Amino acid sequence: GQQLNQSPQSMFIQEGEDVSMNCTSSSIFNTWLWYKQDPGEGPVLLIALYKAGELTSNGRLTAQFGITRKDSFLNISASIPSDVGIYFCAGQSGGTSYGKLTFGQGTILTVHP
Amino acid sequence: GAGVSQTPSNKVTEKGKYVELRCDPISGHTALYWYRQSLGQGPEFLIYFQGTGAADDSGLPNDRFFAVRPEGSVSTLKIQRTERGDSAVYLCASSFSGGSGNEQFFGPGTRLTVL
Repeated sequence: GQQLNQSPQSMFIQEGEDVSMNCTSSSIFNTWLWYKQDPGEGPVLLIALYKAGELTSNGRLTAQFGITRKDSFLNISASIPSDVGIYFCAGQSGGTSYGKLTFGQGTILTVHP
Repeated sequence: GAGVSQTPSNKVTEKGKYVELRCDPISGHTALYWYRQSLGQGPEFLIYFQGTGAADDSGLPNDRFFAVRPEGSVSTLKIQRTERGDSAVYLCASSFSGGSGNEQFFGPGTRLTVL
């Protein structure tokens, strides 16, 4: 089945630093999404990308949909303590499987004040 | 408004027992999804409902797993003859309709522990 490889697995940074994480796939996706998950909660959507090459921002977050449609990255600028959590990339295909999301393994982000 | 709710929040059962996990989607959402999240992993797709019908059940691991959504709203995930490997957080999500471009809103999950 489809596999998403997300890196890095974890990051320990100082408050104020910028963060970058990325996701690669063996298959093409029509939609790339980035989620954040806090302990005991479900994932919450941060950014959705619908077109190859698309660059989208949401506050301090910026994400890009790779031109090959097999990769995406997420940048967080000027990190703050509340950015702590687990970040997941997810891909969505078209056709009969257009409903389901395929998730990466997650990046655990720790921000030291 | 109310988000996706799941009950129970925690379920501890013994190997071989039957369990039911409930999901209440956001009112008006026609699409409903079940995912399973093992420790240290991302959520893994199980099944997707559009209305009352299962549009894609390709993620159900075997025939011990079954899900229903009889009235197109609440859904129940049923696991027969539970095994220790079924221990995970079971997440439910709903969206206004199916397909890409429709944000999936997740519930807090049910943590299932099989002893």
